[in-house]
Amino acid sequence: GAVVSQHPSRVICKSGTSVKIECRSLDFQATTMFWYRQFPKQSLMLMATSNEGSKATYEQGVEKDKFLINHASLTLSTLTVTSAHPEDSSFYICSAGDSGYTFGSGTRLTVV
Amino acid sequence: KQEVTQIPAALSVPEGENLVLNCSFTDSAIYNLQWFRQDPGKGLTSLLLIQSSQREQTSGRLNASLDKSSGRSTLYIAASQPGDSATYLCAVRPGSNYQLIWGAGTKLIIKP
Repeated sequence: GAVVSQHPSRVICKSGTSVKIECRSLDFQATTMFWYRQFPKQSLMLMATSNEGSKATYEQGVEKDKFLINHASLTLSTLTVTSAHPEDSSFYICSAGDSGYTFGSGTRLTVV
Repeated sequence: KQEVTQIPAALSVPEGENLVLNCSFTDSAIYNLQWFRQDPGKGLTSLLLIQSSQREQTSGRLNASLDKSSGRSTLYIAASQPGDSATYLCAVRPGSNYQLIWGAGTKLIIKP
């Protein structure tokens, strides 16, 4: 079946630094990938839709300059959290856009 | 605007019981509905996908039903086991676009 690999699974960084999260489709090509954020005990919040070869589409309220998304190939999308602050600490999940919506295993980001 | 609601938010039952999780949505014009499982600190695992034209889907001890006219879906779990403990999320795909609308989830605890 379709597999999406996401890493790192956990990352702790200092406030002010940048963190990159990778999402790879391992056995299929994904022209579209989605990035979600999940706060504790809450559901997923769509942050942006990543399209291969073009600019990402961000949801209202999501800072595009803070959450940089790059989808340079059909198998890789990256989310970079720039100048991270403690309030950016969260669980980030990507998914690839096939009909079944295959999800990565998520990244727990902690900013200290 | 499509909204997805899951009730109850949390459920604790003894092992062996059959149980039903509920998902309701406000707009009956959907493309498909999907149930996911999320273990603590982990990504999502797709359980069942019901297309708009379908009434139910079954996988092992799981059965999901869809009633578009009433805006409801149920996830039935037979003979529950402690390993079923997780948060169960339902998500609706509203139409031809890819964006999923998520419920907040039901946290299920199966007591041995």
